[in-house]
Amino acid sequence: SAVISQKPSRDICQRGTSLTIQCQVDSQVTMMFWYRQQPGQSLTLIATANQGSEATYESGFVIDKFPISRPNLTFSTLTVSNMSPEDSSIYLCSVEPVSRDTYNEQFFGPGTRLTVL
Amino acid sequence: TQLLEQSPQFLSIQEGENLTVYCNSSSVFSSLQWYRQEPGEGPVLLVTVVTGGEVKKLKRLTFQFGDARKDSSLHITAAQPGDTGLYLCAGPTDSWGKLQFGAGTQVVVTP
Repeated sequence: SAVISQKPSRDICQRGTSLTIQCQVDSQVTMMFWYRQQPGQSLTLIATANQGSEATYESGFVIDKFPISRPNLTFSTLTVSNMSPEDSSIYLCSVEPVSRDTYNEQFFGPGTRLTVL
Repeated sequence: TQLLEQSPQFLSIQEGENLTVYCNSSSVFSSLQWYRQEPGEGPVLLVTVVTGGEVKKLKRLTFQFGDARKDSSLHITAAQPGDTGLYLCAGPTDSWGKLQFGAGTQVVVTP
């Protein structure tokens, strides 16, 4: 398994501002994913981030709103830009470790709880 | 799109009772995973089932993968308050590691 940390764990932000969420992994990984989750509900994939290439965004999510960086095999950031109250959610990063088999198992960080006022 | 339907959406039971959560699809999956998420934490992988008809046990949790690899179930025997959480099934949708998640089943076990 992989140990994943996220910063910040929670934040309260004003509308119109931006927040950058960091995701750090204790080992090198190929695939990193960013999800959004409303409390008690399932996960919605925002984008997939590969090292050295641009992130691939899912339908309904755009790079201008959610820019992602992936500078190396252990780190990624997600920025939530020009925030509105509708962006209030839990943001999770996950990884698929290099050493895993081909079952696409993912390991998740603890999440960042964002509230936009 | 390969959709995973989970049922029920919510389960509230007393400690010591048994429960079953279902995960169904009209599509074939190469594997299915079960995660449990507790409040304030990320989902934690419980098990991956790979072979049609496979049964895996994790202490009081029993996981089954349907013969046709289109469905799976999670059975908890003698539930305990520590089993409380959001249970999610997930399956790979492509070769790039993307997972499709079910809507989740919120399980509450009261003492």
